[in-house]
Amino acid sequence: GENVEQHPSTLSVQEGDSAVIKCTYSDSASNYFPWYKQELGKRPQLIIDIRSNVGEKKDQRIAVTLNKTAKHFSLHITETQPEDSAVYFCAASIQGQAGTALIFGKGTTLSVSS
Amino acid sequence: GAVVSQHPSWVICKSGTSVKIECRSLDFQATTMFWYRQFPKQSLMLMATSNEGSKATYEQGVEKDKFLINHASLTLSTLTVTSAHPEDSSFYICSAQTGVYNQPQHFGDGTRLSIL
Repeated sequence: GENVEQHPSTLSVQEGDSAVIKCTYSDSASNYFPWYKQELGKRPQLIIDIRSNVGEKKDQRIAVTLNKTAKHFSLHITETQPEDSAVYFCAASIQGQAGTALIFGKGTTLSVSS
Repeated sequence: GAVVSQHPSWVICKSGTSVKIECRSLDFQATTMFWYRQFPKQSLMLMATSNEGSKATYEQGVEKDKFLINHASLTLSTLTVTSAHPEDSSFYICSAQTGVYNQPQHFGDGTRLSIL
């Protein structure tokens, strides 16, 4: 089945710096890759997603890149702010009869210091 | 849009009790709902996938008789933890999805379950 590896597990940056989180997946059939941000004790919130027919997607300070050949995708956050501090999860889709389920990476704890 | 409501947010109960958790999509019809379990500082582990009117599909290692899932309508799914024991204590979180192919999942606020 699908396996998603996420690195690094923790990331500390200074305000204004960029942050990059990388994920790899194992199932070549996966074709949907969302990223979620989860603050302590709160729900995961979708921040950006990408589908396999696209190599890159950008939304203001957040961008995601996808390399299907290498089976890896990355989250890029530019001009980081303290409110970006949270746990970030990548995920890859697995298509079942019941719907598109997600397999999550282990998460990256991002700390942005001012 | 795409609001998912989950109740209760916190449950503390005695060992042996059954606990029901509700997950509702408030402003959209959820073709599929998912139930996850999350341990402290860990990732979300998919427990089961459910569609309205059909039996849930459970992930390997998840006891279907322990975790009963009912998806009675396009806006409501319930997870019942039967005869709960301390090892069932965890953060349970649901998500809802429209369509069946590569659509975003929208999460509820989660339920923190503590079994004494």
